[in-house]
Amino acid sequence: DAGVIQSPRHEVTEMGQEVTLRCKPISGHDYLFWYRQTMMRGLELLIYFNNNVPIDDSGMPEDRFSAKMPNASFSTLKIQPSEPRDSAVYFCASSFRSAPDTQYFGPGTRLTVL
Amino acid sequence: GEDVEQSLFLSVREGDSSVINCTYTDSSSTYLYWYKQEPGAGLQLLTYIFSNMDMKQDQRLTVLLNKKDKHLSLRIADTQTGDSAIYFCAEKVPGSTLGRLYFGRGTQLTVWP
Repeated sequence: DAGVIQSPRHEVTEMGQEVTLRCKPISGHDYLFWYRQTMMRGLELLIYFNNNVPIDDSGMPEDRFSAKMPNASFSTLKIQPSEPRDSAVYFCASSFRSAPDTQYFGPGTRLTVL
Repeated sequence: GEDVEQSLFLSVREGDSSVINCTYTDSSSTYLYWYKQEPGAGLQLLTYIFSNMDMKQDQRLTVLLNKKDKHLSLRIADTQTGDSAIYFCAEKVPGSTLGRLYFGRGTQLTVWP
């Protein structure tokens, strides 16, 4: 099992640019989570999906952030336009419906917005 | 469930025991978790305890739960340099949507040789 796959691992971009982060969950998992980790705020849940449907997006900071899950094996988190305060490590995680709290995290994408 | 509290740093010498503490928010939380994050990696589930238990032991790890005080601790016996990582406490709050966990800020454990 390859685990949760995220790409890119590192992204450096300039303020105002569009950023797209990608995630492939573990095959067969029903839940997919997007988290953001910063020194200031720790680990924040942004949004999560169950069977490709968004369940809770209350953590999405603002309209500049959007997430999609077009199928069971792929999700994107998009920031448009990006700002320096979006700099963080973004994690994707997935879990089975029988144990939704046992979340398997990807290695993360380190985003730097200049 | 939004203010799970943990101290930010802990340093111990190799071979000593480490105790990482956490205060959670909801006395009716059903499950409490410890996740570990190694440098440059995502979080991984280390262990968990159900709310009807006071203690759970798994090899070098001991989890203690004090429901009255809403206090959770993780003890690592014979701490090794490979245990250096960030440890997150998380709670499952009743009534929250399935899969929704509330994480603490994490405790950075540094083990000195």
